[in-house]
Amino acid sequence: GESVGLHLPTLSVQEGDNSIINCAYSNSASDYFIWYKQESGKGPQFIIDIRSNMDKRQGQRVTVLLNKTVKHLSLQIAATQPGDSAVYFCAETLDPSGYSTLTFGKGTMLLVSP
Amino acid sequence: DADVTQTPRNRITKTGKRIMLECSQTKGHDRMYWYRQDPGLGLRLIYYSFDVKDINKGEISDGYSVSRQAQAKFSLSLESAIPNQTALYFCATSDLYGEEKTQYFGPGTRLLVL
Repeated sequence: GESVGLHLPTLSVQEGDNSIINCAYSNSASDYFIWYKQESGKGPQFIIDIRSNMDKRQGQRVTVLLNKTVKHLSLQIAATQPGDSAVYFCAETLDPSGYSTLTFGKGTMLLVSP
Repeated sequence: DADVTQTPRNRITKTGKRIMLECSQTKGHDRMYWYRQDPGLGLRLIYYSFDVKDINKGEISDGYSVSRQAQAKFSLSLESAIPNQTALYFCATSDLYGEEKTQYFGPGTRLLVL
């Protein structure tokens, strides 16, 4: 199996529960944030993004919350399904339109039990 | 994501050998990136290129080199492979001019240096 999950914080939930994955980011000047999902044996996939001028953004079954005061980002997954089992990464950048790059968090593994 | 392809998908090599990992994209993006992923360390940027004539070092460029042969192709070379370069390697692309600023990742290359 994929070794990327070793030593990662792990969140275990039951199918149907809501999941909340947290991320503390490092740079108070960061302007753009992204959540990625990485399934075993695959590359990271985009889930949802948010700019610093927003504090909440919703997608299909997912919501991202941004608290700039405490430099905290969270990903909420509603009605979690076994297919949501994966490693989730947050990423930040100073300026998505300019010449800055993404800085990734270390990831959280989500395990969903049927 | 089939829009970003990486070859080979798996590679075993010996210490001191030169190897090249290749990345191709059909998304028409200007920006391309190489990352490595190690257990518990998330994704770390090796090199990135914002257009064909632009190459920049990332966080961990020592021991690596890159070539941007065309807009669609970005290759990563290990001139003399060493065991601590054993990792998962990902190529990614992003769009300079479009609304969406996320990076799109390839499926990864698993490299083992003996």
